[in-house]
Amino acid sequence: DAKTTQPNSMESNEEEPVHLPCNHSTISGTDYIHWYRQLPSQGPEYVIHGLTSNVNNRMASLAIAEDRKSSTLILHRATLRDAAVYYCILRGRMGNTPLVFGKGTRLSVIA
Amino acid sequence: GAVVSQHPSWVICKSGTSVKIECRSLDFQATTMFWYRQFPKQSLMLMATSNEGSKATYEQGVEKDKFLINHASLTLSTLTVTSAHPEDSSFYICSTTGQGAANSPLHFGNGTRLTVT
Repeated sequence: DAKTTQPNSMESNEEEPVHLPCNHSTISGTDYIHWYRQLPSQGPEYVIHGLTSNVNNRMASLAIAEDRKSSTLILHRATLRDAAVYYCILRGRMGNTPLVFGKGTRLSVIA
Repeated sequence: GAVVSQHPSWVICKSGTSVKIECRSLDFQATTMFWYRQFPKQSLMLMATSNEGSKATYEQGVEKDKFLINHASLTLSTLTVTSAHPEDSSFYICSTTGQGAANSPLHFGNGTRLTVT
């Protein structure tokens, strides 16, 4: 699986936007960029995914670089409940394959 | 609401006993289930992949005779930790792709924290 690189940790103030970066320079043309997050003592939850175009949903936005070698997860207004470990994962188009988790970025939100 | 129900959420057992963890898919058929474990301060590590009606595929270094996986129905997969030891204490998490469509998001259970004393 192509590897991703994320900062170990980031900090944000409550109500501020947060930009979580991810580098994936070895991404292949058919890899989707997935983001999941894991709140303390819980299983991961899906956040968003995309292929080439930027994506928006109720949780976040995903900005994908034109060369697809990097992406940024954007939380528009961080809340205390957004404090979690965020994982950026590449996933091929084949169905029923597991996710391979890296270390992710631990986001702290300050009130 | 949760699409994958995992039970129990936590369990404490004595060394040498066995523990069964259940993972149920709600409202959909899970032909494939993935089992992960997570040690403190570490990321999730894939243990095995189970397909309904067939034997599970284990990742390198995971003992299949110790971590028994049963996936007898499309809505239930179980992981049994046999003869548990303190080093098996971990956070165990199941997940599935739901409908199994190519590149569909994975759904995760809320995890089971196992403590072996």
